[in-house]
This record gives sequence, structure tokens and C-alpha cells, in this order.
Amino acid sequence: EADIYQTPRYLVIGTGKKITLECSQTMGHDKMYWYQQDPGMELHLIHYSYGVNSTEKGDLSSESTVSRIRTEHFPLTLESARPSHTSQYLCASSEEGGRWWNSPLHFGNGTRLTVT
Amino acid sequence: GQSLEQPSEVTAVEGAIVQINCTYQTSGFYGLSWYQQHDGGAPTFLSYNALDGLEETGRFSSFLSRSDSYGYLLLQELQMKDSASYFCAVRDQENNDMRFGAGTRLTVKP
Repeated sequence: EADIYQTPRYLVIGTGKKITLECSQTMGHDKMYWYQQDPGMELHLIHYSYGVNSTEKGDLSSESTVSRIRTEHFPLTLESARPSHTSQYLCASSEEGGRWWNSPLHFGNGTRLTVT
Repeated sequence: GQSLEQPSEVTAVEGAIVQINCTYQTSGFYGLSWYQQHDGGAPTFLSYNALDGLEETGRFSSFLSRSDSYGYLLLQELQMKDSASYFCAVRDQENNDMRFGAGTRLTVKP
């Protein structure tokens, strides 16, 4: 069973604040992802990582950064939060060994961010 | 790059069969996946098609035709709990990242 955890579950923060969304997985997966999803809408890839010390930009990455110092941990940082960042942020991981191309994504429960 | 299209909404009655289509334009991908997401929840993996043809998992089946750039998810014996959003997704061959369609919201009525 997948074990991937995101904190906080909900966050309300003022404009201009720096925030870090936490994501941890206990499955030893190499590949990790961050997606942004507005209610009822598609998932937009923000960042992904192939493994430790690897970070790649997705479609909406320009206003956020990620780090991958440990396999299990993949935090997302917004340097200066804006109301346009209000959304749900989903972290996911997948196994990259063996038949990695058909390895499903395991998602966390998400962080619902509101920037006032 | 990848572009996936699926209907925005589908409505069906309990016990019925519903098919959710996904058409795509892609420069290369490894396979077509389907994910289910209930309101307020996380997406969960349903099925994967690497090759053309039908894959069956219980009440759910998924189909892929690479020559037609088309796939579908078939849900049989619909239950109220199947009301959710369903996303098709492809793993890009160039970047190895996972790209999702906009999702189809399925409403199952009594």
C-alpha cells in the first residue's frame, strides 16, 4: 500500500509570505512529482525529480522551487505567495526500477493553499 | 509534447455501462493510464495500457489503439460510489514525466 504524506493539509497565508509544502514517502521511490490542481480541473506538473539531487521543471515551475536532498523527502517552496497561488498541491511518487514506464503514480492527499 | 482530450462530464444511472474516451496527440509515450479522483481526495491509479487492446480489472476495463491515438475507460455495473473524476494520462518518452488530461466528471444517478 502506498505511503505518501503531505503537510499541512490546509494552509491559509497572507500575500508575500514564504511557504514550504512538505511531502514525504516511505516506499523508497526514486521519482517524485508536484502537481497543481484547481477544483474540478486538470493536474498541472510543477516539478519532478528522478532521485536525490535531481530536480526538473514542469509547466508551472517559474514561481516555486524544490529540493531533493533525501530520497523520501521532496519539499516545494513558494518564495512569495500570491493570491494566484491559491490551489491544491498534490505530491506523487513512482517506482523507477524494473518496468518503470508502467509504474503508477501514488499520490498524497494534497495541501489546499489559500493566499489572502 | 502531449495533448490529451476527454469529455468534461458524463452522467449515467446506477447499474448502467459508461465509456469515457481519451484522444491524444503525442510525440511519443509509453502507455495510457487512468486515474480516479473523488471530490476532495487524491487521484488513485485504475489501469494501464502499454499495448493495443483491452485490459480488464473487475468492473473496469481500459482500451488503447495507438494507430487511432485513442483510448477509453469502460465502467460496468455502475455504482453510486463510482461518481468521481476520471483522468487519462501518458508518460512522455522524452521527459519521462506523467501528463494528465483535464478529467471527466462522472455522475451516477439512482
